[in-house]
Amino acid sequence: GEDVEQSLFLSVREGDSSVINCTYTDSSSTYLYWYKQEPGAGLQLLTYIFSNMDMKQDQRLTVLLNKKDKHLSLRIADTQTGDSAIYFCAERFSGGGADGLTFGKGTHLIIQP
Amino acid sequence: DAGVTQSPTHLIKTRGQQVTLRCSPISGHKSVSWYQQVLGQGPQFIFQYYEKEERGRGNFPDRFSARQFPNYSSELNVNALLLGDSALYLCASSAGMNTEAFFGQGTRLTVV
Repeated sequence: GEDVEQSLFLSVREGDSSVINCTYTDSSSTYLYWYKQEPGAGLQLLTYIFSNMDMKQDQRLTVLLNKKDKHLSLRIADTQTGDSAIYFCAERFSGGGADGLTFGKGTHLIIQP
Repeated sequence: DAGVTQSPTHLIKTRGQQVTLRCSPISGHKSVSWYQQVLGQGPQFIFQYYEKEERGRGNFPDRFSARQFPNYSSELNVNALLLGDSALYLCASSAGMNTEAFFGQGTRLTVV
């Protein structure tokens, strides 16, 4: 089955760039997503990329996709304390009439002052 | 416009009991999906409903069931609760099939 993997923790200094990495297994995935989850909260959709794209930029966020290596990354420029959260990579799956998301376990982003 | 709303926000149940969780999608959205997020893990797909029909089911036992109403709101039911059912249950709303999913704040279920 599909599997999405992420490193569990990332620690960066305030003002530096954060790069969160993810690998996925389903080569037929059409869309890949990044969600943010703050403590005790639901998931906030940050950005997504279509599988025929290599890069997508949205303000401080840059998504890079290497489809050959099935590697996705999220770069957050000028990281702020408000960026402290868990970041989930997700791939869309379709099959049997349904479509849904397969998530990684999430990367805890820790901001050092 | 209101986002995805879920109720209740927190719930405590005893093993063996039954629970019903509710979700109202974003206005105009016709697809509702349910996910279970156990502490320390990513969300796992339980069901998708679109146009009031179940379109897919994840690897969950028959104790888990759901339905979607004519107004596209949805209920998730879990019977014969186990301690391992303790989790954050998330509802996701989409305009249709293969479109972005927007999540509610979740219902925190604790089974004791």
